[in-house]
Amino acid sequence: GEDVEQSLFLSVREGDSSVINCTYTDSSSTYLYWYKQEPGAGLQLLTYIFSNMDMKQDQRLTVLLNKKDKHLSLRIADTQTGDSAIYFCADAAGGTSYGKLTFGQGTILTVHP
Amino acid sequence: DGGITQSPKYLFRKEGQNVTLSCEQNLNHDAMYWYRQDPGQGLRLIYYSQIVNDFQKGDIAEGYSVSREKKESFPLTVTSAQKNPTAFYLCASSGLGTGTEAFFGQGTRLTVV
Repeated sequence: GEDVEQSLFLSVREGDSSVINCTYTDSSSTYLYWYKQEPGAGLQLLTYIFSNMDMKQDQRLTVLLNKKDKHLSLRIADTQTGDSAIYFCADAAGGTSYGKLTFGQGTILTVHP
Repeated sequence: DGGITQSPKYLFRKEGQNVTLSCEQNLNHDAMYWYRQDPGQGLRLIYYSQIVNDFQKGDIAEGYSVSREKKESFPLTVTSAQKNPTAFYLCASSGLGTGTEAFFGQGTRLTVV
């Protein structure tokens, strides 16, 4: 079946950039998503990218997609302590574009003052 | 305000008992989903429904049951057959169109005592 992999931990200093990486196996992926989860809460959609795009920028967030290598990354510029959370990469299963998602394990981002 | 409401936020269950988690949405979404979250494993799909009175099994449906009698509601029953029910349960909803975002509830933490 499909698989989405992420590294589990990332620690950065406040003001630095954070880069969270993700790899996926589904070659029919059309949409790839980044979600943020704060402690004890649900998931908040940060951004998504369509598979025919290489890059998408949204304020402090930059998403890069390398479709050949099936590699996705999320860059957060000027990382703040409020960015500390778990970040999930997700793939719309089977090429669909809605909520039937395959998630990575989540990357715990810790931002130090 | 439009959104997804899960209740209760915390739930305790004795071994051998069934328990039902509530999920209601007022976003007029056709599709609804249940995910289970365990530490270090990301989210896994339990059941989903794209239309009233119809639902499909996800990756980990054993020991769970659902119903979809109304568009707004998608309750999840954790039965005594679920061997390891202690987890964080997240409900989501979405439309069915291209690029539709999935919205998540705030989750229910179930603990078996």
